[in-house]
Amino acid sequence: DIVMTQSPDSLAVSLGERVTINCKSSHSVLYSSNNKNYLAWYQQKPGQPPKLLIYWASTRESGVPDRFSGSGSGTDFILTISSLQAEDVAVYYCHQYYSTPRTFGQGTKVEIK
Amino acid sequence: EVQLVESGGGLVQPGGSLRLSCAASGFTFSNSWMNWVRQAPGKGLEWVANIKEDGSEIYYVDSVKGRFTISRDNARNSLYLQLNSLRAEDTALYYCATNVYHFDYWGQGTLVTVSS
Repeated sequence: DIVMTQSPDSLAVSLGERVTINCKSSHSVLYSSNNKNYLAWYQQKPGQPPKLLIYWASTRESGVPDRFSGSGSGTDFILTISSLQAEDVAVYYCHQYYSTPRTFGQGTKVEIK
Repeated sequence: EVQLVESGGGLVQPGGSLRLSCAASGFTFSNSWMNWVRQAPGKGLEWVANIKEDGSEIYYVDSVKGRFTISRDNARNSLYLQLNSLRAEDTALYYCATNVYHFDYWGQGTLVTVSS
C-alpha cells in the first residue's frame, strides 16, 4: 500500500498569510506513460463531506478560488493557499489514486492565528 | 446538479449486519465508477471499496475483505454496501463518492455505530 504522510498535522496562520501543506508518498504516484501525477487534494470543513480542490496534482477543480494551488511530482507534493481567508479554516487531505487501495494522508488542520 | 444521498446507517451490535445505500442523481450513474469512503469519529478518511461502471471490477481495502460487499443497480441509479460481521472499529461515517480517480462528488454520509 502507498502510505501518504502530510506535514504539519496542524498550523495556525494569520489572515492574508500564505499556507503551505506538504504531502509525501511512500511510492511515486507519477505514471510515466502519461506523465500524470495521480494525486488529489480535498478540503473538509466541520460537519461537511470532503470537497475536491486539486487533481492531477496541480489542476484546480472548477469553482475553486485561485488562491489554492497544487505542485510537486513523484513523491513530494505541496498544497498552497496564497492568502488565507476565514472560510479556509478546515482540514486538508492529500489522496493518491495511482494504485489500490486508494489512500489518504492523515490530514492537516488549518486554523486562524 | 449531482446528488448522492446515503442511507441505511444505524446502531448495530458487534457481529451484526447492515446494508447501506447511495441514491445518485444529476449524472449518468451507469458511466461512473463508484466508491465507499469512511471516516471514524474525529479521524481521517479511509477508502473502503470501489466498483466499475458495469460491476465487472470490484476492489476492497484489506480490513473489510470477506466482510463487506459493494454492489450497484444501474437501473435504479443506486450503490450499495453490505456490511457483515461488524466490529467496533467499523464505526464511522460512510460516504459514497464518484470517479475511479479523484473523487469529485461526495454524499453527506450515513453513520454506522457498532456497539453493544
